[in-house]
Amino acid sequence: NAGVTQTPKFQVLKTGQSMTLQCAQDMNHEYMSWYRQDPGMGLRLIHYSVGAGITDQGEVPNGYNVSRSTTEDFPLRLLSAAPSQTSVYFCASSYSLNGQSDYEQYFGPGTRLTVT
Amino acid sequence: GIQVEQSPPDLILQEGANSTLRCNFSDSVNNLQWFHQNPWGQLINLFYIPSGTKQNGRLSATTVATERYSLLYISSSQTTDSGVYFCAVGDYKLSFGAGTTVTVRA
Repeated sequence: NAGVTQTPKFQVLKTGQSMTLQCAQDMNHEYMSWYRQDPGMGLRLIHYSVGAGITDQGEVPNGYNVSRSTTEDFPLRLLSAAPSQTSVYFCASSYSLNGQSDYEQYFGPGTRLTVT
Repeated sequence: GIQVEQSPPDLILQEGANSTLRCNFSDSVNNLQWFHQNPWGQLINLFYIPSGTKQNGRLSATTVATERYSLLYISSSQTTDSGVYFCAVGDYKLSFGAGTTVTVRA
Protein backbone atom coordinates (compact mmCIF):
# COMPACT_ATOMS: atom_id res chain seq x y z
CA ASN A 1 0.00 0.00 0.00
CA ALA A 2 1.18 3.50 -0.82
CA GLY A 3 -0.96 4.84 2.03
CA VAL A 4 -1.93 8.51 1.67
CA THR A 5 -0.29 10.33 -1.23
CA GLN A 6 -0.31 14.06 -1.98
CA THR A 7 0.74 16.07 -4.99
CA PRO A 8 2.46 18.40 -5.54
CA LYS A 9 5.08 18.46 -2.76
CA PHE A 10 5.79 22.17 -3.28
CA GLN A 11 3.85 24.93 -5.03
CA VAL A 12 4.24 28.68 -5.45
CA LEU A 13 1.19 30.70 -6.50
CA LYS A 14 0.54 34.35 -7.16
CA THR A 15 -2.30 36.09 -5.34
CA GLY A 16 -5.59 35.42 -7.11
CA GLN A 17 -4.53 32.22 -8.85
CA SER A 18 -6.45 29.00 -8.30
CA MET A 19 -5.17 25.48 -7.95
CA THR A 20 -6.06 22.01 -6.72
CA LEU A 21 -4.08 19.99 -4.21
CA GLN A 22 -4.46 16.29 -4.87
CA CYS A 23 -4.90 13.60 -2.23
CA ALA A 24 -5.40 9.89 -2.70
CA GLN A 25 -5.49 6.86 -0.41
CA ASP A 26 -5.43 3.18 -1.27
CA MET A 27 -6.53 1.77 2.09
CA ASN A 28 -10.27 1.93 1.37
CA HIS A 29 -10.71 4.30 4.32
CA GLU A 30 -14.13 5.83 4.66
CA TYR A 31 -13.04 9.13 6.21
CA MET A 32 -10.72 11.75 4.73
CA SER A 33 -9.67 15.19 5.92
CA TRP A 34 -7.59 18.22 5.00
CA TYR A 35 -5.56 20.15 7.57
CA ARG A 36 -3.27 23.15 7.39
CA GLN A 37 -0.22 23.74 9.56
CA ASP A 38 1.11 27.23 10.18
CA PRO A 39 4.46 27.97 11.83
CA GLY A 40 4.55 27.13 15.53
CA MET A 41 1.05 25.72 15.52
CA GLY A 42 -0.65 22.39 15.44
CA LEU A 43 -2.74 21.29 12.51
CA ARG A 44 -6.18 22.83 11.95
CA LEU A 45 -9.02 21.10 10.13
CA ILE A 46 -10.16 22.67 6.85
CA HIS A 47 -12.72 20.20 5.44
CA TYR A 48 -13.53 16.57 5.92
CA SER A 49 -15.54 13.78 4.31
CA VAL A 50 -17.33 10.82 5.86
CA GLY A 51 -17.74 9.01 2.56
CA ALA A 52 -18.07 9.47 -1.18
CA GLY A 53 -20.41 12.35 -1.95
CA ILE A 54 -20.42 13.69 1.63
CA THR A 55 -18.26 16.60 2.80
CA ASP A 56 -18.42 19.13 5.61
CA GLN A 57 -16.55 22.15 6.92
CA GLY A 58 -13.94 22.09 9.61
CA GLU A 59 -12.44 24.87 11.70
CA VAL A 60 -10.93 27.01 8.88
CA PRO A 61 -12.89 26.36 5.64
CA ASN A 62 -12.96 29.84 4.10
CA GLY A 63 -11.26 30.07 0.71
CA TYR A 64 -11.26 26.31 0.12
CA ASN A 65 -13.56 23.85 -1.64
CA VAL A 66 -13.60 20.06 -1.59
CA SER A 67 -15.43 17.24 -3.27
CA ARG A 68 -15.39 13.47 -2.84
CA SER A 69 -16.52 11.64 -5.95
CA THR A 70 -14.69 8.41 -5.09
CA THR A 71 -13.55 6.70 -1.90
CA GLU A 72 -9.92 7.08 -2.95
CA ASP A 73 -9.65 10.77 -3.88
CA PHE A 74 -10.24 13.97 -1.94
CA PRO A 75 -8.93 17.08 -3.77
CA LEU A 76 -8.69 20.49 -2.09
CA ARG A 77 -9.31 23.53 -4.28
CA LEU A 78 -8.05 27.02 -3.60
CA LEU A 79 -10.43 29.33 -5.41
CA SER A 80 -8.43 32.59 -5.36
CA ALA A 81 -5.15 32.23 -3.49
CA ALA A 82 -4.24 34.76 -0.81
CA PRO A 83 -0.95 35.22 1.11
CA SER A 84 -2.80 34.09 4.27
CA GLN A 85 -3.09 30.65 2.66
CA THR A 86 0.66 30.17 2.71
CA SER A 87 0.96 27.03 4.78
CA VAL A 88 1.72 23.33 4.77
CA TYR A 89 -1.31 21.24 3.84
CA PHE A 90 -1.82 17.70 5.06
CA CYS A 91 -4.36 15.19 3.88
CA ALA A 92 -5.41 12.34 6.15
CA SER A 93 -7.56 9.26 5.99
CA SER A 94 -9.05 7.23 8.80
CA TYR A 95 -11.16 4.21 9.52
CA SER A 96 -13.19 2.90 12.39
CA LEU A 97 -11.31 0.31 14.38
CA ASN A 98 -14.41 -1.28 15.84
CA GLY A 99 -17.13 -0.22 13.43
CA GLN A 100 -18.42 2.34 15.86
CA SER A 101 -16.50 4.96 17.74
CA ASP A 102 -12.74 4.29 17.62
CA TYR A 103 -10.81 5.86 14.75
CA GLU A 104 -7.14 6.02 13.76
CA GLN A 105 -5.81 8.60 11.26
CA TYR A 106 -2.97 8.35 8.79
CA PHE A 107 -1.38 11.40 7.20
CA GLY A 108 0.12 12.12 3.81
CA PRO A 109 3.56 13.76 3.39
CA GLY A 110 2.18 17.27 2.99
CA THR A 111 2.19 20.02 0.36
CA ARG A 112 4.14 23.20 1.08
CA LEU A 113 2.29 26.12 -0.53
CA THR A 114 3.58 29.68 -0.83
CA VAL A 115 1.34 32.48 -2.09
CA THR A 116 3.14 35.66 -3.12
CA GLY B 1 -14.52 22.33 20.01
CA ILE B 2 -12.21 20.25 22.14
CA GLN B 3 -9.25 22.14 23.60
CA VAL B 4 -5.89 20.39 23.64
CA GLU B 5 -2.96 21.68 25.68
CA GLN B 6 0.54 20.26 25.51
CA SER B 7 3.41 20.86 27.87
CA PRO B 8 6.18 21.77 27.93
CA PRO B 9 6.30 23.77 24.67
CA ASP B 10 10.04 23.14 24.32
CA LEU B 11 12.36 20.49 25.71
CA ILE B 12 16.14 20.24 25.34
CA LEU B 13 17.68 16.89 26.27
CA GLN B 14 21.11 15.42 26.43
CA GLU B 15 21.39 12.15 24.55
CA GLY B 16 20.49 9.29 26.88
CA ALA B 17 18.13 11.31 29.06
CA ASN B 18 14.52 10.41 29.79
CA SER B 19 11.57 12.77 29.44
CA THR B 20 7.80 13.04 29.82
CA LEU B 21 5.47 15.03 27.58
CA ARG B 22 1.94 15.84 28.70
CA CYS B 23 -1.34 16.35 26.84
CA ASN B 24 -4.48 17.67 28.53
CA PHE B 25 -7.83 17.71 26.75
CA SER B 26 -11.13 19.33 27.62
CA ASP B 27 -13.72 16.65 26.82
CA SER B 28 -14.12 12.90 26.51
CA VAL B 29 -12.76 11.49 23.25
CA ASN B 30 -12.85 8.32 21.14
CA ASN B 31 -9.47 8.89 19.56
CA LEU B 32 -6.20 10.09 20.98
CA GLN B 33 -3.07 9.84 18.91
CA TRP B 34 0.53 10.88 19.39
CA PHE B 35 2.52 11.92 16.33
CA HIS B 36 6.14 12.77 15.76
CA GLN B 37 6.85 15.39 13.11
CA ASN B 38 10.39 14.86 11.95
CA PRO B 39 12.68 17.66 10.73
CA TRP B 40 11.52 16.98 7.14
CA GLY B 41 7.92 17.72 8.15
CA GLN B 42 6.57 14.20 7.93
CA LEU B 43 3.94 13.20 10.50
CA ILE B 44 4.63 9.77 11.91
CA ASN B 45 2.03 7.84 13.90
CA LEU B 46 3.44 6.89 17.27
CA PHE B 47 0.47 5.68 19.25
CA TYR B 48 -3.26 5.30 18.98
CA ILE B 49 -4.16 5.37 22.67
CA PRO B 50 -7.64 6.56 23.76
CA SER B 51 -7.04 4.80 27.09
CA GLY B 52 -4.50 2.58 28.84
CA THR B 53 -0.79 2.13 28.28
CA LYS B 54 1.22 1.12 25.23
CA GLN B 55 4.92 0.70 24.59
CA ASN B 56 6.93 0.72 21.40
CA GLY B 57 10.65 0.39 21.93
CA ARG B 58 11.97 3.37 23.87
CA LEU B 59 8.62 5.16 23.65
CA SER B 60 5.57 4.53 25.76
CA ALA B 61 2.29 6.33 26.31
CA THR B 62 -0.41 6.35 28.93
CA THR B 63 -3.87 7.89 28.67
CA VAL B 64 -6.13 8.37 31.67
CA ALA B 65 -9.37 9.11 29.88
CA THR B 66 -11.40 9.77 33.04
CA GLU B 67 -8.95 12.55 34.02
CA ARG B 68 -8.50 13.78 30.44
CA TYR B 69 -4.77 13.59 30.04
CA SER B 70 -2.15 11.56 28.25
CA LEU B 71 1.60 11.20 28.79
CA LEU B 72 4.30 10.30 26.31
CA TYR B 73 7.54 8.91 27.74
CA ILE B 74 10.82 8.98 25.87
CA SER B 75 13.56 6.89 27.44
CA SER B 76 17.26 6.89 26.57
CA SER B 77 16.70 9.68 24.07
CA GLN B 78 18.63 9.74 20.79
CA THR B 79 19.27 12.58 18.36
CA THR B 80 16.80 10.97 15.97
CA ASP B 81 14.06 11.67 18.55
CA SER B 82 14.35 15.40 17.78
CA GLY B 83 11.32 17.04 16.24
CA VAL B 84 7.84 18.12 17.28
CA TYR B 85 5.52 15.81 19.16
CA PHE B 86 1.81 16.37 18.72
CA CYS B 87 -1.11 15.06 20.67
CA ALA B 88 -4.41 15.01 18.77
CA VAL B 89 -7.89 14.04 19.94
CA GLY B 90 -11.34 13.63 18.43
CA ASP B 91 -12.89 10.98 16.24
CA TYR B 92 -12.44 10.80 12.45
CA LYS B 93 -11.48 14.49 12.63
CA LEU B 94 -8.83 15.63 15.04
CA SER B 95 -8.05 18.63 17.21
CA PHE B 96 -4.34 19.14 17.66
CA GLY B 97 -2.32 20.62 20.45
CA ALA B 98 0.39 23.15 19.63
CA GLY B 99 3.08 20.52 20.09
CA THR B 100 6.24 20.00 22.12
CA THR B 101 9.49 20.73 20.31
CA VAL B 102 12.15 18.26 21.45
CA THR B 103 15.82 18.82 20.76
CA VAL B 104 18.20 16.02 21.67
CA ARG B 105 21.87 17.02 21.80
CA ALA B 106 24.71 14.57 21.27
